[in-house]
Amino acid sequence: GQQVMQIPQYQHVQEGEDFTTYCNSSTTLSNIQWYKQRPGGHPVFLIQLVKSGEVKKQKRLTFQFGEAKKNSSLHITATQTTDVGTYFCAPPGANNLFFGTGTRLTVIP
Amino acid sequence: ETGVTQSPTHLIKTRGQQVTLRCSSQSGHNTVSWYQQALGQGPQFIFQYYREEENGRGNFPPRFSGLQFPNYSSELNVNALELDDSALYLCASSPVVGNEQFFGPGTRLTVL
Repeated sequence: GQQVMQIPQYQHVQEGEDFTTYCNSSTTLSNIQWYKQRPGGHPVFLIQLVKSGEVKKQKRLTFQFGEAKKNSSLHITATQTTDVGTYFCAPPGANNLFFGTGTRLTVIP
Repeated sequence: ETGVTQSPTHLIKTRGQQVTLRCSSQSGHNTVSWYQQALGQGPQFIFQYYREEENGRGNFPPRFSGLQFPNYSSELNVNALELDDSALYLCASSPVVGNEQFFGPGTRLTVL
């Protein structure tokens, strides 16, 4: 199955600091999706990246897809307490998504 | 537009029992996937149903089975429950295979 490594596994930041999580694959990906799961909640779709070198922004969130389509990143500018949760990158399988362990973000007020 | 719903919310069973979990997909979505999420882990794909047929399966034993009905709702059945089956079971629907998935709130299963 699809193998991706997501780092870091945990990140604690002070409110207002920036945060970045990285997703690395050993194989070329057709696309990649990102999800956020709040504590006690369920995964919620954030974005899908398809094109090589693609950069997409959603307010304070910036998503990138590498030129070789083997890596992706999510950057949050000036974190807020509402950003707390686990962020998953999810490359596609034949008909499903592969989730790693994600990056658990804690924001200290 | 109604989102994905799952029932029950929580369930406690004992080892060896059988359980059925239910999912109603979002309106207009004909694809339903089931995931198992153990504590501290990411969701693991169990199987997917498309138009009432199984359309792919993850690395789960045959005692995990499912159904999809004509209205695209779905069931996950687990026989001969084991302690390691304790997890959050998530159902996700999508309008097209491979598109973004809309997750339900999950069913928290505890096996004692």
